[in-house]
Amino acid sequence: GNSVTQMEGPVTLSEEAFLTINCTYTATGYPSLFWYVQYPGEGLQLLLKATKADDKGSNKGFEATYRKETTSFHLEKGSVQVSDSAVYFCALSDGRGSQGNLIFGKGTKLSVKP
Amino acid sequence: EPEVTQTPSHQVTQMGQEVILRCVPISNHLYFYWYRQILGQKVEFLVSFYNNEISEKSEIFDDQFSVERPDGSNFTLKIRSTKLEDSAMYFCASRGQGNSNQPQHFGDGTRLSIL
Repeated sequence: GNSVTQMEGPVTLSEEAFLTINCTYTATGYPSLFWYVQYPGEGLQLLLKATKADDKGSNKGFEATYRKETTSFHLEKGSVQVSDSAVYFCALSDGRGSQGNLIFGKGTKLSVKP
Repeated sequence: EPEVTQTPSHQVTQMGQEVILRCVPISNHLYFYWYRQILGQKVEFLVSFYNNEISEKSEIFDDQFSVERPDGSNFTLKIRSTKLEDSAMYFCASRGQGNSNQPQHFGDGTRLSIL
């Protein structure tokens, strides 16, 4: 079945460091891919998405490119801020024949130190 | 910006009791979902709901669970006889028209603690 694997956390970085959070997926068909973020005490917020191969999603300085050949959707940011501290979830949605139920990775906790 | 709201934020219940978690989806959305996250584990799909009926459900969503849209605004998840392992954060989500690649909007969750 469909699944998402993301790198184990926690990840601790200094402010302005480069961030990569790896995400790979297994899916039949042509899923859409998402990154959601959960700030402390809050719900899940959509960070970015990509709906087909080679699409790049971007938002708030974060980027992720849908790589079909490597079945990956790694999240990157060139210079993290303390305010980026949160839990990041990679997710996929099998768009065909379903209501778009999301399958999530386990989440990666990011802590950014000043 | 419109948002999904969930109540209560925290629910403590004795094992065996019934619990109802409430959600108010975004008003013009048509597709509704419940997910749960057991502490330290991944977010898991429970059920999707469209056109006043369940569209899909996972293995987790057994006979103890039910969902309802009792009026034009609320979307509820009922657990009939709670078990210790039902302790988790429960998230409601909704999305609007269009294909299923449209993003889902999540509420802040209800933390359910079963004693």
